[in-house]
Amino acid sequence: QQPVQSPQAVILREGEDAVINCSSSKALYSVHWYRQKHGEAPVFLMILLKGGEQKGHEKISASFNEKKQQSSLYLTASQLSYSGTYFCGTLFNDYKLSFGAGTTVTVRA
Amino acid sequence: NAGVTQTPKFRVLKTGQSMTLLCAQDMNHEYMYWYRQDPGMGLRLIHYSVGEGTTAKGEVPDGYNVSRLKKQNFLLGLESAAPSQTSVYFCASSYIDRSSYNSPLHFGNGTRLTVT
Repeated sequence: QQPVQSPQAVILREGEDAVINCSSSKALYSVHWYRQKHGEAPVFLMILLKGGEQKGHEKISASFNEKKQQSSLYLTASQLSYSGTYFCGTLFNDYKLSFGAGTTVTVRA
Repeated sequence: NAGVTQTPKFRVLKTGQSMTLLCAQDMNHEYMYWYRQDPGMGLRLIHYSVGEGTTAKGEVPDGYNVSRLKKQNFLLGLESAAPSQTSVYFCASSYIDRSSYNSPLHFGNGTRLTVT
């Protein structure tokens, strides 16, 4: 069952912040975040585990709210290199990682 | 260290033809996955494998078959291609971490398949 991501797209200027949300209707074991540049493969950013553990990557951080079955990705002081499509992936107890439809982020100078 | 390698990179098929996509990984990963990516729909899981000789259905398995005869290889087959199977196919692998489900996926570079 695919998680729901919002927004579908966001346009930022360099230095601005953004939040991408990911929600699931099922209890989660972990949430993955990946970024995909146009024409390339998705690249791993971080994993968030039950217990609210947060892991960050450069100026990108994320949170995981188990009770709400939601995760949020925070893009802080965005850079041009942050442009791409961000996917959240949700893992239940069966080793199947299901991805959301993605959020396209465009950072402009 | 090549990581995850997919062949071919591009392919054009006629409706009804068959083909096999090959995924090979050199990281000794137990888990392997096949996803398809279509505009606006993200990555959808077709089939996956949790070890040599095992396979399981994902979210969109119809029209596809898979085999995992060797740990390092995961094959995706289309027996009778249809235009609806036009997509970009990604293979991924990860290691086992059953204690915390804390295993990132490593993706191949994708295969762009067009069915006419």
